[in-house]
Amino acid sequence: EAGVTQSPRYAVLQEGQAVSFWCDPISGHDTLYWYQQPRDQGPQLLVYFRDEAVIDNSQLPSDRFSAVRPKGTNSTLKIQSAKQGDTATYLCASSNRGRAETLYFGSGTRLTVL
Amino acid sequence: GDSVTQTEGQVTVSESKSLIINCTYSATSIGYPNLFWYVRYPGEGLQLLLKVITAGQKGSSRGFEATYNKEATSFHLQKASVQESDSAVYYCALSETNSAGNKLTFGIGTRVLVRP
Repeated sequence: EAGVTQSPRYAVLQEGQAVSFWCDPISGHDTLYWYQQPRDQGPQLLVYFRDEAVIDNSQLPSDRFSAVRPKGTNSTLKIQSAKQGDTATYLCASSNRGRAETLYFGSGTRLTVL
Repeated sequence: GDSVTQTEGQVTVSESKSLIINCTYSATSIGYPNLFWYVRYPGEGLQLLLKVITAGQKGSSRGFEATYNKEATSFHLQKASVQESDSAVYYCALSETNSAGNKLTFGIGTRVLVRP
């Protein structure tokens, strides 16, 4: 069974540039999560979906970040105008609904904003 | 909001010695949260080590154990005899029982280095 796939692995931008991250969850998983992990901190939830619907995006900086999962499978997270404070690893995870279900994480995209 | 506090920084321990990583939590839900330990081994992605969803119960995996102590709001991770292969970053996490999906709140992570 293929795991969660993320691309690109790395991205380096200047402030003000845009970037998109792509995630392919485990086949059949209905829930998809995006986490931001700054260096030496724990992952922090940005947004998550059940199928194509957003369940919680309260921690997503809506002025510059957006996330979609149009067919309830793959997902894209986009930063419109990156800031140095966005430097972090962006993790995607997927799960199947159930009580306290296990999240399966991808390897992440490491973003550096100069 | 919810929060998790765990042993910060790096813990260095010699092979065959015991290890404990402290974790305490604060949850806003009326019920009791679900508790987890996730681990990231070098070169690998974050993965579940163990979970406990019932207060008072113990979870175990790969020789590690953690007991859900609701009175102390703690979920410490312990192993009696570590190996070099246990070198990794360990994250304590919780989720609310009434949330759609399994929205995890993580601690800062504890890096464990096991010396031969």
